[in-house]
Amino acid sequence: AQKVTQAQTEISVVEKEDVTLDCVYETRDTTYYLFWYKQPPSGELVFLIRRNSFDEQNEISGRYSWNFQKSTSSFNFTITASQVVDSAVYFCALIFTGGGNKLTFGTGTQLKVEL
Amino acid sequence: GAGVSQSPSNKVTEKGKDVELRCDPISGHTALYWYRQSLGQGLEFLIYFQGNSAPDKSGLPSDRFSAERTGGSVSTLTIQRTQQEDSAVYLCASSPASVSYNEQFFGPGTRLTVL
Repeated sequence: AQKVTQAQTEISVVEKEDVTLDCVYETRDTTYYLFWYKQPPSGELVFLIRRNSFDEQNEISGRYSWNFQKSTSSFNFTITASQVVDSAVYFCALIFTGGGNKLTFGTGTQLKVEL
Repeated sequence: GAGVSQSPSNKVTEKGKDVELRCDPISGHTALYWYRQSLGQGLEFLIYFQGNSAPDKSGLPSDRFSAERTGGSVSTLTIQRTQQEDSAVYLCASSPASVSYNEQFFGPGTRLTVL
């Protein structure tokens, strides 16, 4: 079965703290793609990153970084020095090549960053 | 450039009525997707179009749901004889091609409330 698990339902941090959002996935495919999307209070899903299963290199983009580990089937997302504007629901998602082009989403993690 | 647009932004209807939801993808995007976001079910795939054909309709929950796409552009999702469990936010996304690694760009959604 193909599945994405985001065990953290809600996380609250104080501004400037670092925070890591966990994502664990299951797939039998050897070729697959992992995504993170952000859904701010306005509701529109915003693409953050895509990773394919053959590229385990970690990536950093400004305050955002992603740690992809095939050995543990995890694709975790870290925000460094969080800001109030980071408050949103974050979704991890999977496309597996045997399943067409549809995104399989996790249940999302609500991040609240307070002053 | 213009992003994915959806109309109406909000729709309130009575149980048993039919509704049509519209999606205008980004110009030139050949792939179009419909998803549904509800409290109980999270984000779930409904249907995928490549051009005007729908190679994957596996997510449509019942035969009351149908969708079409014309001219390789606008898509309409129709729900017949609406039920209260159809209440959700219906999201449309498009991507430049049918390859699975392409980022999907999401619209703002249509919030459907069935009374």
